[in-house]
Amino acid sequence: GESVGLHLPTLSVQEGDNSIINCAYSNSASDYFIWYKQESGKGPQFIIDIRSNMDKRQGQRVTVLLNKTVKHLSLQIAATQPGDSAVYFCADRRGGADGLTFGKGTHLIIQP
Amino acid sequence: GAGVSQSPSNKVTEKGKDVELRCDPISGHTALYWYRQSLGQGLEFLIYFQGNSAPDKSGLPSDRFSAERTGGSVSTLTIQRTQQEDSAVYLCASSLARGTETQYFGPGTRLLVL
Repeated sequence: GESVGLHLPTLSVQEGDNSIINCAYSNSASDYFIWYKQESGKGPQFIIDIRSNMDKRQGQRVTVLLNKTVKHLSLQIAATQPGDSAVYFCADRRGGADGLTFGKGTHLIIQP
Repeated sequence: GAGVSQSPSNKVTEKGKDVELRCDPISGHTALYWYRQSLGQGLEFLIYFQGNSAPDKSGLPSDRFSAERTGGSVSTLTIQRTQQEDSAVYLCASSLARGTETQYFGPGTRLLVL
């Protein structure tokens, strides 16, 4: 069915390494994609977003890549820090829709 | 400035009771969204308001769920005759306007139905 899904439920990385969190989507009508970070007991925190007319966007220590050919989205976090430990959600907005459709999330664990 | 606020932060209720959850969006944001997050799951879209327009109710799971928005600002999500499966975190988000996609979330209300 149509969904935004994640390849891995848990990702463990060494502190200082780069992290890559992947996401697949199935709806070719999706025109907007967004990544959120959610720490335990808190609401999702906006990280970065990208429109479907772009294939890359950079923020502070984060980069989002969009491959529309294979319907794949990734979040890259450079020089991962302990404060990056959280669950990361990708979400998309399907053309004409109002709400976002979320994946189940990837738990990023930082090893010292 | 202040972010999205929600109250109460936690709510425990008995099966069959009604509950009201409140959301105060970011000042100046005309679009408001409600989502539900079950334990260990992603967010499920429930309802959307744009200003004072009639809401998009397409995501509401049953007719026990309703929401209103007064004066284009504060919103209340009401769940009537609560069931145990309604236990979840209810999250509110706002964005500057429809078509401005970045949604900013509040801390959520954790609802437990006994």
